[in-house]
Parts: sequence; structure tokens; C-alpha cells
Amino acid sequence: NAGVTQTPKFRVLKTGQSMTLLCAQDMNHEYMYWYRQDPGMGLRLIHYSVGEGTTAKGEVPDGYNVSRLKKQNFLLGLESAAPSQTSVYFCASSPRGSSYEQYFGPGTRLTVT
Amino acid sequence: AQKVTQAQTEISVVEKEDVTLDCVYETRDTTYYLFWYKQPPSGELVFLIRRNSFDEQNEISGRYSWNFQKSTSSFNFTITASQVVDSAVYFCALSLPGAGNMLTFGGGTRLMVKP
Repeated sequence: NAGVTQTPKFRVLKTGQSMTLLCAQDMNHEYMYWYRQDPGMGLRLIHYSVGEGTTAKGEVPDGYNVSRLKKQNFLLGLESAAPSQTSVYFCASSPRGSSYEQYFGPGTRLTVT
Repeated sequence: AQKVTQAQTEISVVEKEDVTLDCVYETRDTTYYLFWYKQPPSGELVFLIRRNSFDEQNEISGRYSWNFQKSTSSFNFTITASQVVDSAVYFCALSLPGAGNMLTFGGGTRLMVKP
């Protein structure tokens, strides 16, 4: 039982390049999330999904797209990376229902130069 | 909109001291959930506790204890007899029902425990 895994762990992009971050969970969770963590600002929600085939915007969605084609996977895409997207990205999942805690992946450190 | 404030950005203590991390939240909803997470230097986020808005009982787990007070919208976290392994960033977070279980995080408090 691996929990929540993220690929890759580190990435360096040049401005304007694109990339996709992959999140996978093996806990059969309905809900999945993408957050970014910047110094002094805690974690902020980018996008989330409450089920396969559904996605919704979070607090800071601009510049990102997501897809949830399979229940266990949640992809985060950057179409044209900008230096402001330099951050640590965390994926999380949780069972359906608002009382459950979220389980987090190990994070992806992205640097955009 | 909801908000979580952790006014202490950094705290430094000497091992064996007690330390309290403050968390103040804002929401107009009467039903909500509060969480604490720990982020050690390795970077992962570790769930510590969940509390719903109808349960104001304090919680104790070993050296950790939590004080939830609706009257002051606070959910404070105390570590008794701190240890070097407690050094981490601690986050308080809030979620509302029916909102995809989204978490609103505070900015975090970095705790440094010196030997």
C-alpha cells in the first residue's frame, strides 16, 4: 500500500515550457487535490476533484489545468511555465465526506527559470 | 470565506520546554472541521488531529494536547516536554462540509527545538 505517490520529485523548467505532474493513490479515495506551497503562505488549493471525470477550481487555478480520467490518478498540467509557478506541489486524497483527513503525497519541487 | 491565521511564524524553545502553537480561524458556518498537520524537515505532511465544530472536548495524545474554544475561534496545540524530533512546521487547517472537503490552511508555524 503506497498511499499517495507523485512523479517526478524534482523538475527544472525554462519559462514557457510545459509539463505534467502525476499523482496516484491506491486507497480508492473519491476526492483528490493539488496544492502549492510557497514560503510563509501555507498550502493553497489549485484544483480538486470529487470523482472520476470531474474537476473544479480551487483558490489559485490560473496557469494550471487538471484531468482525472481514472479514479486513482490526478494530473496537473502547466501549459506555459512561468517563474511565479516555482513552488512545491503537493497532491492529496481523501475518502468522500467532509470529516475525513487528507492524505498527502511527498511533494514535487518545481523550479522555473 | 473562511480564513485560518497562525500568528507565530517561528518559535524556538529548548528541549523539555512546553510550547503552544496558536491557531485562530474565521468562518460563518456552524459546521466545520479543524485539523493540525506536521511537516518535518523531510517535507511530507503528517496528519495529527481532526476536530469537528460540535466537539469542544480537549484532546490529549501522549505529549500532544489540543484546546478547542469556539468562543474565541481558536484551536491551539500544545507540546509538553518538547523534543528535538518535534522540530517541524505545523499547519492548522479548516474544512467545510459539502465543499469537496477542501482545506484552508494557515501560514504555518516553524518550531525549532534546541538540545
